[in-house]
Amino acid sequence: GQNIDQPTEMTATEGAIVQINCTYQTSGFNGLFWYQQHAGEAPTFLSYNVLDGLEEKGRFSSFLSRSKGYSYLLLKELQMKDSASYLCAVMDYGQNFVFGPGTRLSVLP
Amino acid sequence: DSGVTQTPKHLITATGQRVTLRCSPRSGDLSVYWYQQSLDQGLQFLIQYYNGEERAKGNILERFSAQQFPDLHSELNLSSLELGDSALYFCASSVVRTSGRDEQFFGPGTRLTVL
Repeated sequence: GQNIDQPTEMTATEGAIVQINCTYQTSGFNGLFWYQQHAGEAPTFLSYNVLDGLEEKGRFSSFLSRSKGYSYLLLKELQMKDSASYLCAVMDYGQNFVFGPGTRLSVLP
Repeated sequence: DSGVTQTPKHLITATGQRVTLRCSPRSGDLSVYWYQQSLDQGLQFLIQYYNGEERAKGNILERFSAQQFPDLHSELNLSSLELGDSALYFCASSVVRTSGRDEQFFGPGTRLTVL
């Protein structure tokens, strides 16, 4: 079956670093995506990993280990506007997108 | 603004009814995806169309159907509506690169309320 796990909620302080983990078991693997979704809004693309390793994009980085079925999203220099849900999604061999339940991040002053 | 448009923004209807949600993808994007997001189930992939043809199917109920037209806009038809169909329905579009890095751009969503 298809399964993606993420922590439900996380809290961090403004200016800090937070790591959001994602583990997955899917029918094949064609890439892993991270999306940010503010409450009541549409998801917006953050990052894409298909090979093992770290992808860095400004304050956001994403890591992938295909052998472990594991990814994380690293957010540095947290800002209040980073308070949102972060969705991990995997594209399987059938070109289906499987989304995780999302991690709700609260950034406190 | 992602460039993806969805209409209507809000829809209120009764059980047993049928509704149509409309999506226009970004200019140049050939693929359209439909998602359902409810409070207790997160974002659920429903179906993908590429250049008019169905490409992938997720957890889409038989009461639901979709199509993509020659001008690439797409419609999601929901029939025999039930209370549990109340949700936010998102459309997303992408270019579909051969590299697989298929970044999706989401529309603002249609909030469906079934009473």
